[in-house]
Amino acid sequence: QVHLVQSGAEVKKPGASVKISCKSSGYSFTSYYMHWVRQAPGQGLEWMGIINPSGGSKSYARKFQGRVTMTRDTSTSTVYMELSSLTSEDTAVYFCARDGGNIEARPRDYFDYWGQGTLVTVSS
Amino acid sequence: DIQMTQSPSSVSASVGERVTITCRASQDISSWLAWYQQNPGKAPQLLIFAASSLQSGVPSRFSGSGSGTDFTLTISSLQPEDSATYYCQQTNSFPLTFGGGTKVEIK
Repeated sequence: QVHLVQSGAEVKKPGASVKISCKSSGYSFTSYYMHWVRQAPGQGLEWMGIINPSGGSKSYARKFQGRVTMTRDTSTSTVYMELSSLTSEDTAVYFCARDGGNIEARPRDYFDYWGQGTLVTVSS
Repeated sequence: DIQMTQSPSSVSASVGERVTITCRASQDISSWLAWYQQNPGKAPQLLIFAASSLQSGVPSRFSGSGSGTDFTLTISSLQPEDSATYYCQQTNSFPLTFGGGTKVEIK
């Protein structure tokens, strides 16, 4: 059974950074791309980027370029998302979400399993 | 970036009624579209991918159609557990983008 378990809620001050983890189980970690999606309170969904857990390559949404870093640790089947220079507009629930296609092919770019979400609150 | 526009923003219907949600892309995305259901405080759940393919485990009352720029999600017979917010998402190109959501309520 596929599970994506994320780290707990964070409270950060403006200008700080946050690093969220997403631990995978129940499938071959290196066989599926992983995405990050966020959702501000009462708002819609926003895609942040994708990482290849096998080779480590990534692609970020232009909006977050220069502020986001996605990494992975194959020894623990965990992906990480770090967001820097936080402002109040970064207050959101952050989700990791597994790509719907096997890594042998191009990413399907839809999300078949999601983490439970991590609330990041940015406040002075 | 491809803009995704959903309508209506909310709909209220009775149990057993047919509900249709539309999603329009700002450019041709072929059949590269997915639909999700999200309950309050929960992660979204995949319903449909490739515009019309039903994700495993999703009830058959959910269906998707369309191609190009216009798509629909249909719930053929609304059930109480279908009360949720629904999002479309284009999978054609980066950045991946979502519609603004449609809240479905039970009368």
